[in-house]
Amino acid sequence: NAGVTQTPKFRVLKTGQSMTLLCAQDMNHEYMYWYRQDPGMGLRLIHYSVGEGTTAKGEVPDGYNVSRLKKQNFLLGLESAAPSQTSVYFCASSHGQGWAGELFFGEGSRLTVL
Amino acid sequence: AQKVTQAQTEISVVEKEDVTLDCVYETRDTTYYLFWYKQPPSGELVFLIRRNSFDEQNEISGRYSWNFQKSTSSFNFTITASQVVDSAVYFCALRDSGGYQKVTFGTGTKLQVIP
Repeated sequence: NAGVTQTPKFRVLKTGQSMTLLCAQDMNHEYMYWYRQDPGMGLRLIHYSVGEGTTAKGEVPDGYNVSRLKKQNFLLGLESAAPSQTSVYFCASSHGQGWAGELFFGEGSRLTVL
Repeated sequence: AQKVTQAQTEISVVEKEDVTLDCVYETRDTTYYLFWYKQPPSGELVFLIRRNSFDEQNEISGRYSWNFQKSTSSFNFTITASQVVDSAVYFCALRDSGGYQKVTFGTGTKLQVIP
C-alpha cells in the first residue's frame, strides 16, 4: 500500500532556482495539504486543496504555488527559492466532509536552499 | 481563526513515570475535530487519536489516555508508565468542519524518556 508518496525525498537548491515537489495519494482522498516543519515551529500549513482544481492558502503561503489538476496529485512549487524556504515539507491527505478523519502523511521532503 | 497551543516545548521524564502533554485550542466553530500525532526520531508522523467536539468522553488505549474538556478548550494526552520508545515529538491538531476543513497543528512537545 503506497498511501501518500512524496518526491523527491531530498533536494539541494541554489537561491533563485525553481523546483516542484510532487505529492501523490492512492486513497481517493478529496483533501490534500502541504505543510512545512521547522525547529520549534511545529507544522505550518502552506496551501491545501479541497478537491480537484480547488486550492486555498494556509498560514505561510508566500513564495509557494500549488496545483491540483488531478485528484490524486498535489504539486507544490517554489518559483524562486530562498534560504528561508529550507525546511522539511510534508504532504498529507484525508477524506472529505462527513468523515473529518485523520490526515495521512507522506514521509517528508528535505529541502535545502543555499 | 483557529489556534492550537502546546505550551510545553520539551519534557523529560524517567522511565515508568506518568506524563501529561497539554493542548489548548481556539476555534469559533461549534463542530470541530481534534487529533494527536506522534513523530518519533525517524521523522514520520503517526496518527494516535481523533476526537469530535460533540463527544467529550475520555478515552484510554493501553498506556495512553486522552482528556477532552470543552469547558476549558483542552485536549490533554497522558502516557502512563512511560517507556523509552515513547520518546518523540507529539503534536496536537484541530480541524474545522467547514467546506475547506483547514487543519492547524500546535508547535509540538518533545518528550524525552530517560532509562
